[in-house]
Amino acid sequence: GNSVTQMEGPVTLSEEAFLTINCTYTATGYPSLFWYVQYPGEGLQLLLKATKADDKGSNKGFEATYRKETTSFHLEKGSVQVSDSAVYFCALSDYGTALIFGKGTTLSVSS
Amino acid sequence: GAVVSQHPSRVICKSGTSVKIECRSLDFQATTMFWYRQFPKQSLMLMATSNEGSKATYEQGVEKDKFLINHASLTLSTLTVTSAHPEDSSFYICSAADSQETQYFGPGTRLLVL
Repeated sequence: GNSVTQMEGPVTLSEEAFLTINCTYTATGYPSLFWYVQYPGEGLQLLLKATKADDKGSNKGFEATYRKETTSFHLEKGSVQVSDSAVYFCALSDYGTALIFGKGTTLSVSS
Repeated sequence: GAVVSQHPSRVICKSGTSVKIECRSLDFQATTMFWYRQFPKQSLMLMATSNEGSKATYEQGVEKDKFLINHASLTLSTLTVTSAHPEDSSFYICSAADSQETQYFGPGTRLLVL
C-alpha cells in the first residue's frame, strides 16, 4: 500500500540556517504530494503541494520538488526563522482519497 | 484561500456523555470530508471518510457506532462521540477536499473526557 517516510526529528537549527527535511514515498499510482505544517496547539495548514512529477511547490520561502525517479519530496528553505518552529508533515494522496501522512518532523529554530 | 472551521475548539465532558463536533467548509463546497484523530506528538490517524448524502467509510479498528458521522450538506459534517470515555480524549481534526482534491484542515477540537 501507499506510505510516506520522513526523517526523524527533532531538527534544531539556528536562525538563518538552511533547512532540509527528507520525505520519501511509496505509491502504486501517481499521487499528489503535500507538505503540511502544524503550529503548537493548532490544526494543520497546507504549506505547499505538487501534483505531478518534476512539479515544484513553493510557499513562504519553502520549496519541494516532486521527484518520481527517487520517489522523494524533500522540503527545503534557504534561511529559517524562529517563527518557522513547528511540526512538518509530508503526505500523499491518490485522487480523491484521504491523505497518508508521515510521522511528522519537529523543527525548532533558535535566535 | 479555503477555510475550514471546527466547533467547538475545546470540550470537556463527563464519562458516558455524548459530544458533537462540527466541521464546516466556509468558502467552498466539499463533497468529501475526512475525520482524523491525533495523539500527543504523533501523526494523524484517519478515522473515516465522509461523503455528502451517503454513509461514512470507517477505517479498520474505528467503531462506527461510537463515532457517528453525518455529512448532511456540502459544507457541514459532524462527528459525534457517543458514550465518551477517558480513552477517547484526543485531538480531533477534520479536513475538507475542494474540487482540486486538495484537503484543507480545520483547527482541531481538543476533547477531554473526565
